[in-house]
Amino acid sequence: AQSVTQPDIHITVSEGASLELRCNYSYGATPYLFWYVQSPGQGLQLLLKYFSGDTLVQGIKGFEAEFKRSQSSFNLRKPSVHWSDAAEYFCAVGGGGTGFQKLVFGTGTRLLVSP
Amino acid sequence: ETGVTQSPTHLIKTRGQQVTLRCSSQSGHNTVSWYQQALGQGPQFIFQYYREEENGRGNFPPRFSGLQFPNYSSELNVNALELDDSALYLCASSLTAYTEAFFGQGTRLTVV
Repeated sequence: AQSVTQPDIHITVSEGASLELRCNYSYGATPYLFWYVQSPGQGLQLLLKYFSGDTLVQGIKGFEAEFKRSQSSFNLRKPSVHWSDAAEYFCAVGGGGTGFQKLVFGTGTRLLVSP
Repeated sequence: ETGVTQSPTHLIKTRGQQVTLRCSSQSGHNTVSWYQQALGQGPQFIFQYYREEENGRGNFPPRFSGLQFPNYSSELNVNALELDDSALYLCASSLTAYTEAFFGQGTRLTVV
């Protein structure tokens, strides 16, 4: 069965500092991998996705993520964090039976940005 | 281009009642999925509809049911509401069953 682990429940980063959010997944085949961001009381916004090809993927808002098959990881990075990046971040793996795709989400990492 | 819209944004129901939540998919998207997000948790997959047929379901009881209409909008129905059904219900649409999903803002359901 698919699963996603986000080991950090909370992370606090100073504004302007770099950020890395960790994500490990378990999936039997080549996974589809996603990062979503959620502001309080809001839906999920897609930051970036990995389906195949280049293992370093670029997303919106200056985020990037690297797929490492040997480590079953898909960590999210940003070189310089802005106060507006404070939110909940979810990693998800896609897959499922023939003809449909369900996303399996991690429990999320809450990012706090200090001045 | 209109994104995914959900209605209502909030509602309060009493245990044992029934509720219907609505979702309009993004233009051109024929696949709709529903997720339940309990407080402090990641979203959990309920089911997916593709061209008006349910084509995948998560670990939710039969009292969770849905519909997809010819215009690809969708409804989620929950019967015999329980307190644990209190959650944010998210609808997501995608161009196909295997492309990225775009989420609506969710419906916050509170069961009292």
